[in-house]
Amino acid sequence: AQKVTQAQTEISVVEKEDVTLDCVYETRDTTYYLFWYKQPPSGELVFLIRRNSFDEQNEISGRYSWNFQKSTSSFNFTITASQVVDSAVYFCALSEAWGQNFVFGPGTRLSVLP
Amino acid sequence: EAGVTQFPSHSVIEKGQTVTLRCDPISGHDNLYWYRRVMGKEIKFLLHFVKESKQDESGMPNNRFLAERTGGTYSTLKVQPAELEDSGVYFCASQPGLGQGSSLSGNTIYFGEGSWLTVV
Repeated sequence: AQKVTQAQTEISVVEKEDVTLDCVYETRDTTYYLFWYKQPPSGELVFLIRRNSFDEQNEISGRYSWNFQKSTSSFNFTITASQVVDSAVYFCALSEAWGQNFVFGPGTRLSVLP
Repeated sequence: EAGVTQFPSHSVIEKGQTVTLRCDPISGHDNLYWYRRVMGKEIKFLLHFVKESKQDESGMPNNRFLAERTGGTYSTLKVQPAELEDSGVYFCASQPGLGQGSSLSGNTIYFGEGSWLTVV
């Protein structure tokens, strides 16, 4: 069975601090995809990144970076120099090769204080 | 290209009433999913359409929920009669089918902005 764990329920940081959101997953598939979505207070789900299981290269996009470690089944997300607008609930998700069993983690609520 | 659109964005109804949520997926996407997040809990899968067929409806909570996707285009999710515990955000998502989409988008699932349902 597939499972995604986000152990941090809530995190509060002060603006400009760096923050890392943890994501640990379980799957028996050799081919799978990992995602991060952001849900701001307005409610929509915003796609941030997709990573396939064969690509362990870390990725950086502006202030966002992702660290995929297959050995520890983790796909952590770091925000550098956080801003108030980063305040949101962040969901890590896992899917099989073509969308079956798309599973979300429970989410981490990030509050960035001015 | 238009994204996934959902209507209504917000709905407040009384317990026992009926509500129908609509989702228009990205044009040409074969896969359509419904998810919901109730009471600030986890986002839970409800069901999955491939074109007009229900591929997996194992997440539907009970028979008060009915989803349809006539003609394989838009989908509706009806809650009848609504109960207090149905309050939450209902997300629709779409995804290209096998062979569709670019190698960049791959199997990414694109979500709509959600329909907020409040049952009072």
